[in-house]
Amino acid sequence: GENVEQHPSTLSVQEGDSAVIKCTYSDSASNYFPWYKQELGKRPQLIIDIRSNVGEKKDQRIAVTLNKTAKHFSLHITETQPEDSAVYFCAASTTDSWGKLQFGAGTQVVVTP
Amino acid sequence: DADVTQTPRNRITKTGKRIMLECSQTKGHDRMYWYRQDPGLGLRLIYYSFDVKDINKGEISDGYSVSRQAQAKFSLSLESAIPNQTALYFCATSISNQPQHFGDGTRLSIL
Repeated sequence: GENVEQHPSTLSVQEGDSAVIKCTYSDSASNYFPWYKQELGKRPQLIIDIRSNVGEKKDQRIAVTLNKTAKHFSLHITETQPEDSAVYFCAASTTDSWGKLQFGAGTQVVVTP
Repeated sequence: DADVTQTPRNRITKTGKRIMLECSQTKGHDRMYWYRQDPGLGLRLIYYSFDVKDINKGEISDGYSVSRQAQAKFSLSLESAIPNQTALYFCATSISNQPQHFGDGTRLSIL
């Protein structure tokens, strides 16, 4: 089955700097890659997703890039702010098994003022 | 987002007890999921249902069972709870191939 690895497990950045989180996946049939943000004590919330027919997607300060050949995808947060502090999860699934999201272990991001 | 409601929000119980966690949604989504979250392990899929009468095992279904009583309701049961089932449990919903939306979670502690 699919295996998703996420790095780093913790990331400390200075406010205003950029943060990058990387995930690799094992199933070459995976074609949907969402990213979720989970603030302390809250539910995971979708922040951005990408499908395999595109290589990059942006939404304001957040972007996701996908390299299908290398089987990895990354989340980029620019101009980080204290409210970006949270745990971020990547995930992957295939069309055939839609809904069977395989999550990475998560990255704790701390943005210091 | 109160569209996906989980009850109870917190539960402390003893080993061997039968526990039921409930999830209801007003989003009109056909697909529902149960996950557990443990520190350092992310979210792992327990069971999922694409429609009423459709039940599928996920990654870690042993020790759990589910019931899809209606399109809007999906319950998770622990038949005989054990301490290593102590975790944060999330219900999620989606429609077709759209993103999943999570409930607020149930924190379950088994002594």
